[in-house]
Amino acid sequence: NAGVTQTPKFQVLKTGQSMTLQCAQDMNHNSMYWYRQDPGMGLRLIYYSASEGTTDKGEVPNGYNVSRLNKREFSLRLESAAPSQTSVYFCASSALAGVSYEQYFGPGTRLTVT
Amino acid sequence: GESVGLHLPTLSVQEGDNSIINCAYSNSASDYFIWYKQESGKGPQFIIDIRSNMDKRQGQRVTVLLNKTVKHLSLQIAATQPGDSAVYFCAENIGRGTSYDKVIFGPGTSLSVIP
Repeated sequence: NAGVTQTPKFQVLKTGQSMTLQCAQDMNHNSMYWYRQDPGMGLRLIYYSASEGTTDKGEVPNGYNVSRLNKREFSLRLESAAPSQTSVYFCASSALAGVSYEQYFGPGTRLTVT
Repeated sequence: GESVGLHLPTLSVQEGDNSIINCAYSNSASDYFIWYKQESGKGPQFIIDIRSNMDKRQGQRVTVLLNKTVKHLSLQIAATQPGDSAVYFCAENIGRGTSYDKVIFGPGTSLSVIP
């Protein structure tokens, strides 16, 4: 049981390049999320998917697109990377457990845009 | 506006002492609060949560207190250990309690445990 996995772990892009961050979970969770974390700050929600086939914008969706490929996988795409997108990206998943919406996070992808 | 903030950005505690990490929130409509622990180089890890209809919730060595009157949340860690050194985030769900769709994280408090 690997939990939430993310690839790649590190990535350097030039301004204008595109890339897709991959995320997969093996816990049969319905909901999945993408966050970014900037130095010294908390996490900000980019997009989320409450269930397979649905996606919705979070706080900071501009410059990103997502795809909920199936129940296990949720990818984040940067179509034209900008230096402001330099950050650590975390994927998470959750399933309602009792009264908790406990989220499980992946290890993160460290992205630098030059 | 909607925000979650922490009173202290850093906290140093002697091993074995109790730690208290504070958090202020501004949205009175928030109905669900979560504490996360983030160790260096890792993703956040759920610690404990509390709903707005509760004042206190206890877990293993951790207690969360919620004071809705002053919009204040705290995390108490009993008998702090070196493994507790991490950044702690409080988060509030300003959704309507039926979906996890708008969770706001605070900036975090860095806890250092002195051996």
